[in-house]
Amino acid sequence: NAGVTQTPKFRILKIGQSMTLQCTQDMNHNYMYWYRQDPGMGLKLIYYSVGAGITDKGEVPNGYNVSRSTTEDFPLRLELAAPSQTSVYFCASRVGLHSYEQYFGPGTRLTVT
Amino acid sequence: LAKTTQPISMDSYEGQEVNITCSHNNIATNDYITWYQQFPSQGPRFIIQGYKTKVTNEVASLFIPADRKSSTLSLPRVSLSDTAVYYCLVGDRNAGNMLTFGGGTRLMVKP
Repeated sequence: NAGVTQTPKFRILKIGQSMTLQCTQDMNHNYMYWYRQDPGMGLKLIYYSVGAGITDKGEVPNGYNVSRSTTEDFPLRLELAAPSQTSVYFCASRVGLHSYEQYFGPGTRLTVT
Repeated sequence: LAKTTQPISMDSYEGQEVNITCSHNNIATNDYITWYQQFPSQGPRFIIQGYKTKVTNEVASLFIPADRKSSTLSLPRVSLSDTAVYYCLVGDRNAGNMLTFGGGTRLMVKP
């Protein structure tokens, strides 16, 4: 049972490039989340999903896209990377409807230059 | 969109009890209150969750008054390794399953 895994751990992008951050969970959780955390700041919700085929915008969705074709995977796509997207990205999955116990992945540290 | 209010920072000394209070005036009837701990360069880690009154586990206690508009995380006899950021999280009845974190409380434990 690996929990929530994220790849890559680190990435440097040039302005205008695109990439996909991968997130996989093996706990059969329906709910999954993507957060970003800028240095010294709290977590901001980018997108979330309540099940396969269903996604919704969070607080800061601009510049990102997600898909949820399976229960296990919830990739985050960055199109036309900008320096403002330099951050640490965390993926999380959640246990249940009225429980907010989330399991977080180790994060992806992204730098856009 | 922050739905919780916490002190920005707190200082304590080893061996003391630390209480961190979170205000959440718009909590929904069916929502739970959850607390997380985050160390630098790591994802948040679940500490404790509760609905009302008091919950205790091997790490902390959570006190929730009857009106549920606030909650207090209690860390008994803290050590240097408890230095971290602590986040309070509740559901948002106006936003379905969208879970947003507040700014968190940066706890510094001194020797």
